[in-house]
Amino acid sequence: AQKITQTQPGMFVQEKEAVTLDCTYDTSDQSYGLFWYKQPSSGEMIFLIYQGSYDEQNATEGRYSLNFQKARKSANLVISASQLGDSAMYFCAMREGNTPLVFGKGTRLSVIA
Amino acid sequence: DAGITQSPRHKVTETGTPVTLRCHQTENHRYMYWYRQDPGHGLRLIHYSYGVKDTDKGEVSDGYSVSRSKTEDFLLTLESATSSQTSVYFCAISESSHISYEQYFGPGTRLTVT
Repeated sequence: AQKITQTQPGMFVQEKEAVTLDCTYDTSDQSYGLFWYKQPSSGEMIFLIYQGSYDEQNATEGRYSLNFQKARKSANLVISASQLGDSAMYFCAMREGNTPLVFGKGTRLSVIA
Repeated sequence: DAGITQSPRHKVTETGTPVTLRCHQTENHRYMYWYRQDPGHGLRLIHYSYGVKDTDKGEVSDGYSVSRSKTEDFLLTLESATSSQTSVYFCAISESSHISYEQYFGPGTRLTVT
């Protein structure tokens, strides 16, 4: 079974609009961390935001926020006020215990002017 | 930016030849990882290291071996390259294995096996 599921292979959003990228996860651990990375067309992997399983508040980093719903095992990334530079692949990932990151298959976001 | 370099950045090789990819870090981080990225699969873990000479297998380790003789270097070897190993390979490092520590990624190596 997949640990991380990203059901949207591709998405389009109008510039200046908000967009939500979906991520659901599967774990039986109580302690885990959830991460989002951005991969622009240049190829590098850029860390965006982190949410711990025990964090009571949703994580925010500038225009990025994480809509964390523990009971539903979802950790959706919300990008507010989309910019053309937000066009990229976005990966959701999880760490359980002391294990390496496990990644989803990614969502390609295209921002339209 | 985390000090991670990968070499070579691009390589074309023939089926059956051995290939070694190098990851070098200047951050003195204990943990190092090799992932491969393929369309439709995201990033999948090949091997990782939790210290000098300490390594473990990941999800897609068949056909790959690794070595770490120094903290700063983590080598990935394809003993006999196959076309299915055509991929983009990313090295990553992490200061800790704790759930709250992110992994920092190198720039990637694009390997083509013909």
